[in-house]
Amino acid sequence: AQKVTQAQTEISVVEKEDVTLDCVYETRDTTYYLFWYKQPPSGELVFLIRRNSFDEQNEISGRYSWNFQKSTSSFNFTITASQVVDSAVYFCALRQGAQKLVFGQGTRLTINP
Amino acid sequence: GAVVSQHPSRVICKSGTSVKIECRSLDFQATTMFWYRQFPKQSLMLMATSNEGSKATYEQGVEKDKFLINHASLTLSTLTVTSAHPEDSSFYICSARVKGGGALDYGYTFGSGTRLTVV
Repeated sequence: AQKVTQAQTEISVVEKEDVTLDCVYETRDTTYYLFWYKQPPSGELVFLIRRNSFDEQNEISGRYSWNFQKSTSSFNFTITASQVVDSAVYFCALRQGAQKLVFGQGTRLTINP
Repeated sequence: GAVVSQHPSRVICKSGTSVKIECRSLDFQATTMFWYRQFPKQSLMLMATSNEGSKATYEQGVEKDKFLINHASLTLSTLTVTSAHPEDSSFYICSARVKGGGALDYGYTFGSGTRLTVV
């Protein structure tokens, strides 16, 4: 069975601080895909990144970066120099093979001015 | 590209009535649609998976007769909440699978969600 754990329920930081959102996954398959989504207060899910299990390269996109480590089954997300607009709920998700997408519990991130 | 339009965004209905939620893929063919339910401050829970032209596959614990899913065309999937009750109040989101580069490489695009309140 596949499972995604986001142990941090809520995080609150002051603007311009760096913040890391943790994601730990469980899967028995060798081929799988990991995702991060942002859900602002309006409710829509905004796609941030998709990474397959064969690509362990870290990725950086502006202030966002992702650290994928198969050895620890983790796919952590870091926001550098956080901004108020980054406040949202962030979901990590896993898809194994052609099966459904399984979401973590989500981390509510609040960036205070 | 790969936009899913979901309507209505917000609906209030009386207990005992039915509500239909529509999701349309605007610029691609959505052979598979997923319907999620999200309670306040909780994660997305998959309710069912629908494939165009066939019956939806419901997750364990989801009442098929209460949550009717129709995926009659490649661009439209609907979720009807029948005989709605206050406990059905929730945020419903649809999602379509979007093909990527390889055979198993595909992502998901989500509708903007429907906030249902049953009074």
